[in-house]
Amino acid sequence: NAGVTQTPKFRILKIGQSMTLQCAQDMNHNYMYWYRQDPGMGLKLIYYSVGAGITDKGEVPNGYNVSRSTTEDFPLRLELAAPSQTSVYFCASSYSMGQGEYEQYFGPGTRLTVT
Amino acid sequence: KQEVTQIPAALSVPEGENLVLNCSFTDSAIYNLQWFRQDPGKGLTSLLLIQSSQREQTSGRLNASLDKSSGRSTLYIAASQPGDSATYLCAVRATTSGTYKYIFGTGTRLKVLA
Repeated sequence: NAGVTQTPKFRILKIGQSMTLQCAQDMNHNYMYWYRQDPGMGLKLIYYSVGAGITDKGEVPNGYNVSRSTTEDFPLRLELAAPSQTSVYFCASSYSMGQGEYEQYFGPGTRLTVT
Repeated sequence: KQEVTQIPAALSVPEGENLVLNCSFTDSAIYNLQWFRQDPGKGLTSLLLIQSSQREQTSGRLNASLDKSSGRSTLYIAASQPGDSATYLCAVRATTSGTYKYIFGTGTRLKVLA
């Protein structure tokens, strides 16, 4: 059971380039999330998904896109990278065991630098 | 708007000391509260999850309490060890900010001195 996996671990992008951050989970969780963590700040929610084919915006969605074609995968797409997108990106997943019962599991993160 | 605050931002204690980490939130309408541990350069590891109907949860040397009416949670660590050194974050799953969203605090960076 690998849990939540993310690739790549590190990436350096030039301004204007695009890339996709990969996230996969093997726990059959229905909910998946993308967060970014900036130094000294808490985690900010970018996008989330409550099941295959269903996604919604979080607090900071501008400059990003997501898709959820399967339960396992939740890729995050960066279009036209900007220095403000330099951050550590975390993917997480959780399972609904009943109303209000959600425990999130996190991947190891992707450290992205845009120069 | 739900806001989560953790004070202090950093804490150093000698090994063996019992300690309390604090988490405050502004809106008591929450589904649950989760405490995480984050080691440098790593992802978050879930420590304890407290449902809105619960008052506390325990796991080993850790005990987390929840007081919704006052908007506070505490994480108690007994007999601290150098291996407990990490950043501890709390997050609330809030009903007023959307059904599926967690709001995170900025964390308390703990250092346990040998």
